[in-house]
Amino acid sequence: SQTIHQWPATLVQPVGSPLSLECTVEGTSNPNLYWYRQAAGRGLQLLFYSIGIDQISSEVPQNLSASRPQDRQFILSSKKLLLSDSGFYLCAWSAPMGATEAFFGQGTRLTVV
Amino acid sequence: GQQLNQSPQSMFIQEGEDVSMNCTSSSIFNTWLWYKQDPGEGPVLLIALYKAGELTSNGRLTAQFGITRKDSFLNISASIPSDVGIYFCAGDPSNYGGATNKLIFGTGTLLAVQP
Repeated sequence: SQTIHQWPATLVQPVGSPLSLECTVEGTSNPNLYWYRQAAGRGLQLLFYSIGIDQISSEVPQNLSASRPQDRQFILSSKKLLLSDSGFYLCAWSAPMGATEAFFGQGTRLTVV
Repeated sequence: GQQLNQSPQSMFIQEGEDVSMNCTSSSIFNTWLWYKQDPGEGPVLLIALYKAGELTSNGRLTAQFGITRKDSFLNISASIPSDVGIYFCAGDPSNYGGATNKLIFGTGTLLAVQP
């Protein structure tokens, strides 16, 4: 069966520090991978999605970047965090050949102080 | 970024009542999904819909893919306290009939159930 792992679960980082959140998927090949951010207001905002290695689409211009160095690994990064980067970050995967059901990791609660 | 309009924003009901929420878009969607999110966790898929007009049930939950492909609704019958959470619709927007590989989420409906 397929599983998705996302870490860390919580993170407190100072303004201006770098960020690296990692997500890995097991039990499937060539998944579509997604990074979402959820602010306190509840909505899930799509940040990045990827249909393959090194194929990243950015949905919102921002202080973050994403990379997919391996088929089932998706990384969310920042060189210098801003206060506004605080939020709940969720990684998700779906089967290849078009977005169907997406399955989420447990999320990372990022607080920038 | 693109978002789906979901209503109501919140609902406060008594245990045993039925619940209805809906999701609308100005553009056509290929797929409609409904998720539930508990506090501090990732959303969990409840129901997936793939065809216009499709009506699908999962226990006490029923969802429909609108005929116009621009809306969907979710009903919960005989609510219980564990139904509490945030419910999200999500969809794959159509790109001239093909998949866009994106999954766009609604703004969420917060459901509170009083025993």
